[in-house]
Amino acid sequence: AQSVTQLDSQVPVFEEAPVELRCNYSSSVSVYLFWYVQYPNQGLQLLLKYLSGSTLVKGINGFEAEFNKSQTSFHLRKPSVHISDTAEYFCAVTPPPGDYKLSFGAGTTVTVRA
Amino acid sequence: GEEVAQTPKHLVRGEGQKAKLYCAPIKGHSYVFWYQQVLKNEFKFLISFQNENVFDETGMPKERFSAKCLPNSPCSLEIQATKLEDSAVYFCASIHRNTHGDTQYFGPGTRLTVL
Repeated sequence: AQSVTQLDSQVPVFEEAPVELRCNYSSSVSVYLFWYVQYPNQGLQLLLKYLSGSTLVKGINGFEAEFNKSQTSFHLRKPSVHISDTAEYFCAVTPPPGDYKLSFGAGTTVTVRA
Repeated sequence: GEEVAQTPKHLVRGEGQKAKLYCAPIKGHSYVFWYQQVLKNEFKFLISFQNENVFDETGMPKERFSAKCLPNSPCSLEIQATKLEDSAVYFCASIHRNTHGDTQYFGPGTRLTVL
């Protein structure tokens, strides 16, 4: 079984400042890792994913994440946020080959202020 | 279609009434997943299908919940005798199985309110 812990439930940040959202996972097998974003009253949109290979993954909207196997972490970063990045962010894992259910973290609310 | 479609967007039911939700996966996607999002944050897996076959039903409350994916029809999730705690947003997701990892594409969700 897999579990995901998102260490910050809320992250307020000023516009153009950097942001980091922390995600740690627990699994007895290797996993695929995902970050999704949920804008108000919408579904989930994939930001980026790590399957294998380079541990630094770049996604949409200027986001990137780094997989750290020894620390079982997959933290999400953006060097300069916009007001439009205000949303809920979810880290999720699933074992390969990827046709199994996703296990989600509890989410991090990012509020970007001018 | 290129997006996962879910209907209806909103559904209001009195306690004890039946609720039926629909999901049309992306064309060509062979796996469908249902998740329940309660209290805005927590996602709970309910059930998944590989084509019309149940793939994983470990999250399904057996007593009142049922689901189907029939050929040439939208998938459905049905709740018999709804309870207040069934109030949630129900998301459907689909994947196209390949050998390099699969992204689950999510629909916009159906918000169920049980009064």
